[in-house]
Formats: sequence, structure tokens, C-alpha cells
Amino acid sequence: GAGVSQTPSNKVTEKGKYVELRCDPISGHTALYWYRQSLGQGPEFLIYFQGTGAADDSGLPNDRFFAVRPEGSVSTLKIQRTERGDSAVYLCASRQTSGGWNEQFFGPGTRLTVL
Amino acid sequence: KQEVTQIPAALSVPEGENLVLNCSFTDSAIYNLQWFRQDPGKGLTSLLLIQSSQREQTSGRLNASLDKSSGRSTLYIAASQPGDSATYLCAVGEYGNKLVFGAGTILRVKS
Repeated sequence: GAGVSQTPSNKVTEKGKYVELRCDPISGHTALYWYRQSLGQGPEFLIYFQGTGAADDSGLPNDRFFAVRPEGSVSTLKIQRTERGDSAVYLCASRQTSGGWNEQFFGPGTRLTVL
Repeated sequence: KQEVTQIPAALSVPEGENLVLNCSFTDSAIYNLQWFRQDPGKGLTSLLLIQSSQREQTSGRLNASLDKSSGRSTLYIAASQPGDSATYLCAVGEYGNKLVFGAGTILRVKS
């Protein structure tokens, strides 16, 4: 596609529920990143995929958070037993890895609200 | 742990003014530095990417500089316009090119 797409754009859920957030990167981009942005702050790194594998998941806050990228393209961020503190905008970015360190392109984000 | 600070937190200027946004980082072992623009309720738009071996990058009215040894970058915006109003984010690229962001500078350009 033309850019990184994320669905849904908004998600409202109740405390304790399970949610899945989807990211569709730019075609051909092998690197994919998830970030979380709270109000008034810059995005914070969650996890980085190179192809199908998670190369760095050091930013995941706890074991309620999990992400997959089974075919090296679309990625899903999964949050179990959601808490009110999980409310934030979840951003996905992708990057072309050939030719050196290239810029990351971001999607519009998914705004998650946990009631 | 890398920390990125952006000053000022907010800035309001009249149209046509040249302005400078500042970014500092604590660990100079970076791979690159990227400046983004974020409009309210939107995602991030990449403005400029400076590799660690470079000193500056230019795109139109924007110029970004990088001084890795002192841990500083500046974003210069020439002849500001109301359409430049947005939040500007600085981010340093670490191993794997994961980005560490500052909190941003909220810019308002008054017509």
C-alpha cells in the first residue's frame, strides 16, 4: 500500500478485556516497530520485528502484551486483561532495511481507551 | 538509558518569523536522528533524517543539524507559516533503529 495502515482507528474496551491491534506496513519493508504514546508525551518503543521474528521486545511493559508477525508483513499487537493504564495511542512504523539506516514511516495509530 | 529532551515545550510566534527548536540527548552512541511533525490526533510525519556521520540535512524551509559529541540537534524553520503549527518531535535511533523520542515542542504560528 501507499503507507502504513492501522486498524481499528479507535478501540474502546472495558477493563479486563482482550484486544488486538493490527498494523499493515509499507510493502517490502522488513522492519516493523510498535510504539505507545500517552497524552502529552513522545512515543515509547514497545517491540521491533525484523521479518517474522521479534528482534527486540524490551519495551513491552509486562507479559500482558504480546505481538506477532507470522508472515513477515502484517503485525498484531495483543493485550490481555486490559487495564485503564493501557489507554494510549498505539503507533506502528515500518522501515526499509536495505541501503543502510533508513527512516521509519508511521501509521495513523490506534487510540485505545480502557474504561 | 538514553534520554531525549526538547526545549522549549511550547512556542508561539508570528507568521514569517524564523525559529529554532532544540533537542538534546544523553548518550552520543546513536545511529541517526530523526525529526517528525505530528498534527493533533494524527500519526507522525517524517521531516528529516540525519545519519550519525552527517552534520545537517535540509528540506525546503527546514534545516536540521546534528552535533553528536555534544548530544544536540536543532531544527531550524525559516519564514514560518500558520500551516507549520503542529507538535515537533525529535527522536534518536539506537541499535535496531528503535527510536527514543523527546516529549515534543508544540509550535503555534499566528497569522
